[in-house]
Amino acid sequence: EVQLVESGGGLVQPGGSLRLSCVVSGFTFSNYIMNWVRQAPGKGLEWISYISVTGRTNYYADSVKGRFTISRDNAKNSLYLQMNSLGDEDTAVYYCARDKDSSTWFDYWGPGTLVTVSS
Amino acid sequence: QSVLTQPPSASGTPGQGVTISCSGSGSNIGNNFVYWYQQFPGTAPKLLIYMNNQRPSGVPDRFSGSNSGTSASLAISGLRSEDEADYYCAAWDDSLSGRVFGGGTKLTVL
Repeated sequence: EVQLVESGGGLVQPGGSLRLSCVVSGFTFSNYIMNWVRQAPGKGLEWISYISVTGRTNYYADSVKGRFTISRDNAKNSLYLQMNSLGDEDTAVYYCARDKDSSTWFDYWGPGTLVTVSS
Repeated sequence: QSVLTQPPSASGTPGQGVTISCSGSGSNIGNNFVYWYQQFPGTAPKLLIYMNNQRPSGVPDRFSGSNSGTSASLAISGLRSEDEADYYCAAWDDSLSGRVFGGGTKLTVL
């Protein structure tokens, strides 16, 4: 069974940092493109980052570019999101999501982890 | 303001059909595949349609996707109460070099 489980969310002060993790099981992690998608309370979905199977190619939404860094450890079946210079606008549930292939996006999602930025 | 524009709400009665639109531009829908997702409150989204009109296994054929120029549509036929959810479209945007979602449409089954 394919499973993705995020962790690392919590309360952080404005300007602070947080590192999210997503541990996967049930599939060969190193063969799949991975993403982070977030959803602010009561708002819609926002794609924020993509990482290739090797980790050498990354894309970011403009809203997080320069502040967030996506990475992966294929040996640990883990995806990460390092978030720096956090602001109120970063408060959201953060989901990790897998691409089945280059033409099939977000076929599996984790349950999400909540990040709250507040003083 | 989302790059892809969806109506905030849609509704229909059981058994009816409903269509949800997603409007974009030549840099996204006009030149790339469109995806649709279904999300129930408090849960992660679920892939409904990929590559404009393909359904993953397990998605009922009551759900169908189509494109025309810079717009896309999700059609749901034979509405059921369990279809009441939020629906999102998504596409790659060439100008932004990133993936973009529509603002979402809340479907109510009356």
